[in-house]
Amino acid sequence: DAGITQSPRHKVTETGTPVTLRCHQTENHRYMYWYRQDPGHGLRLIHYSYGVKDTDKGEVSDGYSVSRSKTEDFLLTLESATSSQTSVYFCAISESAEQYFGPGTRLTVT
Amino acid sequence: SQQGEEDPQALSIQEGENATMNCSYKTSINNLQWYRQNSGRGLVHLILIRSNEREKHSGRLRVTLDTSKKSSSLLITASRAADTASYFCATDLIQGAQKLVFGQGTRLTINP
Repeated sequence: DAGITQSPRHKVTETGTPVTLRCHQTENHRYMYWYRQDPGHGLRLIHYSYGVKDTDKGEVSDGYSVSRSKTEDFLLTLESATSSQTSVYFCAISESAEQYFGPGTRLTVT
Repeated sequence: SQQGEEDPQALSIQEGENATMNCSYKTSINNLQWYRQNSGRGLVHLILIRSNEREKHSGRLRVTLDTSKKSSSLLITASRAADTASYFCATDLIQGAQKLVFGQGTRLTINP
């Protein structure tokens, strides 16, 4: 997990509220990713970034938006949280083929 | 649907035995990677094998790739209790896109 932090690590929120998760890296890697991990589904890509202000959708992007205004920060926003977004969220970074993961954020939407 | 599917979903062996996990995928790949996840932690990269490679070693890990069968295997030799974790294969479909598609993982338990 060295060089990648996620905040918060745990969050409980109510349905309909906006939520922002932060990923911060100190490695100066170009690529950053947001995944969610759910039982029976493995890891699924939500959004990724290939540079400052350059982002694209992943497999499960509906209900999520991202922003990257600096190389080191990648924000994931749940615009109006739903119970189906209860999950563990992982950020990852990459400069080449291998990806390096943060410790995860456990989000519960009640 | 998932690109990679691991088999078995769960594996329990005695310490010192070898553990073999398999991954099958559906479309052509640029490379295939294996990751480990300890309970409650993020994934850790173990090994990458490119589409033009057939076998790769790293310490007690041996990975094979058969592109004709669209399958890969991860062998952990002389297993240790610390190897208890979930193992995921991930495929990099398009060169340069740096996007991975993960399988659902194999849960490996090493019994002392």
